Amino acid sequence: AQSVTQLDSQVPVFEEAPVELRCNYSSSVSVYLFWYVQYPNQGLQLLLKYLSGSTLVKGINGFEAEFNKSQTSFHLRKPSVHISDTAEYFCAVSDVYNQGGKLIFGQGTELSVKP
Amino acid sequence: ETGVTQTPRHLVMGMTNKKSLKCEQHLGHNAMYWYKQSAKKPLELMFVYSLEERVENNSVPSRFSPECPNSSHLFLHLHTLQPEDSALYLCASSQLAANTGELFFGEGSRLTVL
Repeated sequence: AQSVTQLDSQVPVFEEAPVELRCNYSSSVSVYLFWYVQYPNQGLQLLLKYLSGSTLVKGINGFEAEFNKSQTSFHLRKPSVHISDTAEYFCAVSDVYNQGGKLIFGQGTELSVKP
Repeated sequence: ETGVTQTPRHLVMGMTNKKSLKCEQHLGHNAMYWYKQSAKKPLELMFVYSLEERVENNSVPSRFSPECPNSSHLFLHLHTLQPEDSALYLCASSQLAANTGELFFGEGSRLTVL
């Protein structure tokens, strides 16, 4: 069965510094990949998604992620973070052929941006 | 109108009360989901409705009772809850034909059981 691992449960970073949130998934032939963001006391909002095509995906709020099939990774990056990026970030994957598009979530990474 | 709307946003109830959470989606989707999000725990998928039929029930206690009267509305009926049921309950919807698994979430209902 498909699984997702977010390697860091908490990532503290200073404002204007770069950040990378790591995500690895178990091997599959074809996958769709997603990053969601959850601000305090809110639901999950789609940040970006990889469905096909270019492996570098750009999302909202200056975030981007790169799909690396050989390493089964989909790490999220931002070159310069703001205080407002403080939130929880969830990586998710759907296995196209085995699970009918069902989304599997990682455990989340709490990004804390400090002034 | 936002895509997925949940009401109420906050709910406090006693262990003997009966209450309901409501979710409405305005996206024309045909699948709806309830998730439970507890502090410091992963997202837990509770129920899935596909074309108004319940297709998944992940060992959820019977004190949680879902209802999907049509493709746009989803309810979660609550009765005789326990304090450990306090959590953020998230509703989501998806379009089955897209087959990507992408979910669209509501803002959540924060439930506190006293």
